[in-house]
Amino acid sequence: GAVVSQHPSWVICKSGTSVKIECRSLDFQATTMFWYRQFPKQSLMLMATSNEGSKATYEQGVEKDKFLINHASLTLSTLTVTSAHPEDSSFYICSASGTALSHEQFFGPGTRLTVL
Amino acid sequence: LAKTTQPISMDSYEGQEVNITCSHNNIATNDYITWYQQFPSQGPRFIIQGYKTKVTNEVASLFIPADRKSSTLSLPRVSLSDTAVYYCLVGSKAAGNKLTFGGGTRVLVKP
Repeated sequence: GAVVSQHPSWVICKSGTSVKIECRSLDFQATTMFWYRQFPKQSLMLMATSNEGSKATYEQGVEKDKFLINHASLTLSTLTVTSAHPEDSSFYICSASGTALSHEQFFGPGTRLTVL
Repeated sequence: LAKTTQPISMDSYEGQEVNITCSHNNIATNDYITWYQQFPSQGPRFIIQGYKTKVTNEVASLFIPADRKSSTLSLPRVSLSDTAVYYCLVGSKAAGNKLTFGGGTRVLVKP
């Protein structure tokens, strides 16, 4: 199946700094990418939907100025956590889907963010 | 998007068949059903997807009754490595394939 990668796989940062997470579709063109957040022992929570070349659509309760999403190409989307705080520590997962891939979403391996 | 309900957890033993039933009473006509598996600290992995009746692949079967208000994931002859959380999701291409994850079912396979 299609492969989605994330970089970095884990990151530790100081409170107040910004962190960028990359999501790449390696062998297909992803017209849509999704960003999720998952806290320990909880389910995935959709944060935003990103379509190539347009602004991301954020879910209710997700601050768009804090979680900046850019989907500049059909193979790359980035999530930047600005002015990170300890409560932003979580597991961030992206997924991608493309028009040629029916309804399936392909998930990345996730990025563990720890804010000190 | 239709809300899904599935058992919180299930225990099984190696070699047994595990069946997880998910209810999605508000599924719309063009919605499809997808199941994912997730191990700790990993992204979800696609298992199977279907629209109606029965779908089978190399790892699982998906049974969907005619009214499509529920679906059952069947894992044949589970092994210890099948211990994971299994998510049932209802998606819609019209909604941009957006998926809303429920609580999932935590399956524990015992030796």
